[in-house]
Amino acid sequence: AQSVTQLDSQVPVFEEAPVELRCNYSSSVSVYLFWYVQYPNQGLQLLLKYLSGSTLVESINGFEAEFNKSQTSFHLRKPSVHISDTAEYFCAVIVTGGGNKLTFGTGTQLKVEL
Amino acid sequence: DAGITQSPRHKVTETGTPVTLRCHQTENHRYMYWYRQDPGHGLRLIHYSYGVKDTDKGEVSDGYSVSRSKTEDFLLTLESATSSQTSVYFCAISRGTGNTEAFFGQGTRLTVV
Repeated sequence: AQSVTQLDSQVPVFEEAPVELRCNYSSSVSVYLFWYVQYPNQGLQLLLKYLSGSTLVESINGFEAEFNKSQTSFHLRKPSVHISDTAEYFCAVIVTGGGNKLTFGTGTQLKVEL
Repeated sequence: DAGITQSPRHKVTETGTPVTLRCHQTENHRYMYWYRQDPGHGLRLIHYSYGVKDTDKGEVSDGYSVSRSKTEDFLLTLESATSSQTSVYFCAISRGTGNTEAFFGQGTRLTVV
């Protein structure tokens, strides 16, 4: 069965600093990868996704993630964070041919400070 | 929000009672999911459905059952609620193969006392 590991439960960072949220997955077959964001007292929203093609994917608000098949990673990065980026971020995976079962990591709380 | 309604949004119930949570979608998406969210555990899949009357278990299905008699409705039932089932429950929908983004409801906060 596939699994997703987010090693950092909390990441504090100062505004305008860069940030990386780590995500590793375990699967021997091809996967779809996602990052979702959850703001307080809300449901999850898709931030970006990798389905195929270019291994670097970007979101509209400056986040990017790179699919690295050899390292089975899909780390999320932003070169300069803003206070409004404070939220919880979840990495998720779907194993192709696995019935579209969407499996999440345990989440990383990003706290941006002034 | 992508046409997903969860009801109720909040519920307090007693240990041992059955509880049913409803997820209703207006998007005609094939896949529907139920997750529970707990601190330190992220979102864990309880059950999911890949069509009317077609369901499968997730990683934490014990104590839960589901039904999907119509495309638009996916019901989650706690057969006999326990305090360990106190959680926030999220429903999600997905069109499926080819466009696998999932859309989430606003969640149901369930407290079992």
